[in-house]
Parts: sequence; structure tokens; C-alpha cells
Amino acid sequence: EVQLVESGGGLVQPGRSLKLSCVASGFTFSNFGMNWIRQAPGKGLEWVAYISSGSSYIFYAETVKGRFNISRDNAKNTLYLQMTSLRSEDTALYYCARPNSGYDYWGQGVMVTVSS
Amino acid sequence: EIVLTQSPTTTAASPGEKVTITCLASSSISNMYWYQQKSGASPKLLIYSTSSLASGVPDRFSGSGSGTSYSLTINTMEAEDAATYYCQQWTSNPPTFGAGTKLEL
Repeated sequence: EVQLVESGGGLVQPGRSLKLSCVASGFTFSNFGMNWIRQAPGKGLEWVAYISSGSSYIFYAETVKGRFNISRDNAKNTLYLQMTSLRSEDTALYYCARPNSGYDYWGQGVMVTVSS
Repeated sequence: EIVLTQSPTTTAASPGEKVTITCLASSSISNMYWYQQKSGASPKLLIYSTSSLASGVPDRFSGSGSGTSYSLTINTMEAEDAATYYCQQWTSNPPTFGAGTKLEL
């Protein structure tokens, strides 16, 4: 069974940093690109970042470019999102999602709240 | 970036009714994806490549369209279909989602 389990969220002050993790199981993680997608409270879905299976290709949304860094450790089946210079508008539920003819598997999400 | 405009924003249907949600793209795209999100849950892939049903999705759901106009149809509404539905494209970067359509019973 495919599982994606996010962790690392919490309450953080504006301007500070936070690192999210997503542990994958039930499939060969190293064969798939991965994404982070977020959802602000009561709002729609916003794609955040993508990393290819071997980390050769990385893309970011303009709203996070220069502040967020996506990475992965295929030996640990883990996807990361390092978030710096956090803003109130980054407050959201962050999902990791596997792209496979659409995002076919999603984690349960981890909440990040940016507030003083 | 490609903007996806969904309509309606909110709609209601009774059991057995047919429901259609549309998604208009600001530029031509090659494929559309549809997701269902129930309250408090993660999104679930319903339709991929415009018209293919994802694994385990009931066949009362269908997708169609081309170019800039796409739609998701629920042939006969069931109570469990009450949710928010999102369209999504990745023909060009960045991937984008529609704002969502809330379907109420």
C-alpha cells in the first residue's frame, strides 16, 4: 500500500525557517518525481514545488522561489521542503503528492502556521 | 501561467441528478485532471488524461473536453459525492489548479 506521511509542521514566526519531511512507502520512491502542494485554510490547492526522481530537475512556484528548497534522499525514501523567510501567506496545509498521470497519491498533510 | 476557471463555484444536486462542472483554461492544454476533496481529507484523483477514470473511481464519474474547455460529469448524484472538485493542468509549467467547485447535496 502506497503511503506518504508528512511531518515537521508547526507554528513559526514570520521570517523564520521550517523543514518539512515526507516519508514514502509502498512503492519504489527513487523511480518517481515528487511534489509539494499546499492549501491555505478554507482555500484551494496551490502547487509549490517539484523534484525529479534523481533530483536533476527542480521547479518552484513563483510565490516561493528563492525562499523554499525541495530535496530528497532516495536512500531514506524521504522528500523534504526547507522553508525560509516564512510569511503569513505561507500558512497552509502542506501535502506531498506523487505525480503519476495526475497526482495519484497524497499524504495527509502537515500544517504550517506563520504568525507572531 | 495557465489560469483555470471553474464553474459553478457552488452547486447543489439531489440524489439521482446529473451534475456537470466545467473548467476553462486560459490557453490550450492537452490534458485535464480532476480531483475530489471531502471535508477534512486529502484530495483524491478522479480523472486523469481528460477522460480516464482513476483506480477505484465509480463509473458514474466521467470527464471530457479538449483545447480550452473541459468538464467533469457525475451521471447520477449520490450522497457520498458531496465534496469540492478541482481541475488541474500540467501541460505547461507551473502546474495550476482551478479554484474549486463545491457540490452540496
